[in-house]
Amino acid sequence: RKEVEQDPGPFNVPEGATVAFNCTYSNSASQSFFWYRQDCRKEPKLLMSVYSSGNEDGRFTAQLNRASQYISLLIRDSKLSDSATYLCVVRGAGGSYIPTFGRGTSLIVHP
Amino acid sequence: SQTIHQWPATLVQPVGSPLSLECTVEGTSNPNLYWYRQAAGRGLQLLFYSVGIGQISSEVPQNLSASRPQDRQFILSSKKLLLSDSGFYLCAWAGTGGSYEQYFGPGTRLTVT
Repeated sequence: RKEVEQDPGPFNVPEGATVAFNCTYSNSASQSFFWYRQDCRKEPKLLMSVYSSGNEDGRFTAQLNRASQYISLLIRDSKLSDSATYLCVVRGAGGSYIPTFGRGTSLIVHP
Repeated sequence: SQTIHQWPATLVQPVGSPLSLECTVEGTSNPNLYWYRQAAGRGLQLLFYSVGIGQISSEVPQNLSASRPQDRQFILSSKKLLLSDSGFYLCAWAGTGGSYEQYFGPGTRLTVT
């Protein structure tokens, strides 16, 4: 089983739709979780950290389910500019300096 | 605020030539530094990371090496490039205060011909 797994997609949705991505991780001792966004041929950019109680930033909501070992990202009212690849990132326990990146989920928002 | 610089932005090099990519960070002290490679259509592969000057850890065996001569400078090198070294090279930094969020530089797109 891969350490961090994501559905590669693409998720093809119309503007205004709500879309959700899941990401599963294998290390139950993982401590930190993040979502990044990567545009084509650009560097990944931090979208949001994921907190145990879940957190929201505008149209974006992140959730953590430790029991089932997955994190999720919900995007409401999708915009054309949301089209990108969304990377799930998990950091292990014990003060590990090494995050593990998923391969990413591609989102295409069309008019 | 913190910024991270990488250069050059693009590079075309022949097989067998040397490589030197530089990354510098501003606005923070004693960051953790990372080099990643992303092949076309693939995920991020961690190559090296560093927790301090002169401290380098390698994640995968390869013909690349890294050095950290100064606190906020991280260099990726190769003596002889291979075709398989082509890719998008990304430098990243993370603070050591507990958040572990990583911030990436703009990357260098390397094509080995």
